Amino acid sequence: AAGVIQSPRHLIKEKRETATLKCYPIPRHDTVYWYQQGPGQDPQFLISFYEKMQSDKGSIPDRFSAQQFSDYHSELNMSSLELGDSALYFCASSPRQGEVNTEAFFGQGTRLTVV
Amino acid sequence: AQKITQTQPGMFVQEKEAVTLDCTYDTSDPSYGLFWYKQPSSGEMIFLIYQGSYDQQNATEGRYSLNFQKARKSANLVISASQLGDSALYVCAMREANRDDKIIFGKGTRLHILP
Repeated sequence: AAGVIQSPRHLIKEKRETATLKCYPIPRHDTVYWYQQGPGQDPQFLISFYEKMQSDKGSIPDRFSAQQFSDYHSELNMSSLELGDSALYFCASSPRQGEVNTEAFFGQGTRLTVV
Repeated sequence: AQKITQTQPGMFVQEKEAVTLDCTYDTSDPSYGLFWYKQPSSGEMIFLIYQGSYDQQNATEGRYSLNFQKARKSANLVISASQLGDSALYVCAMREANRDDKIIFGKGTRLHILP
């Protein structure tokens, strides 16, 4: 079965550079979530989209932006990268936003290292 | 206040034994879902099991079962006949119907299975 696809799997960037992370949800899933997991930390919610509109926003820095496209894939854009942005970035997708009794499936994550 | 509390940062268990990983949660929402994910060293977040707040029976998925005690607000994961491949970080998570659908994670329990 198709899973959530994230690209790239690994990314190394220098400080002040920009990065774009991509997420392709499971087909027919209309909700996408982005999470950031620092070393030894639990995943922190960044932002979510439902039907291409932002549905919720968490602790996402102003330097980051994201969008969901017409084919439901999502991109997380990160500018002016800082060393503290080094983390594992997860994307998850879920069908039927608003229905709590549906599981969310995660991609394998993008490991971003800022040097 | 923590929404999800996992009090066991680490556990060591002998292979083939059963293990219970604790999770308590805090919500005033009558409708919510509880999830367990497994995060191996590779970093991916693997969905294990789901329990809805209105489910009458405890969820089971193969060797995984969820001991759901609603009055105590606990959702412990039970792994029967543990295997070496079960060594990983286990994360409890919750989604509340009235909280814009995002998933909130606990800090996880790192499980080590001993041969």
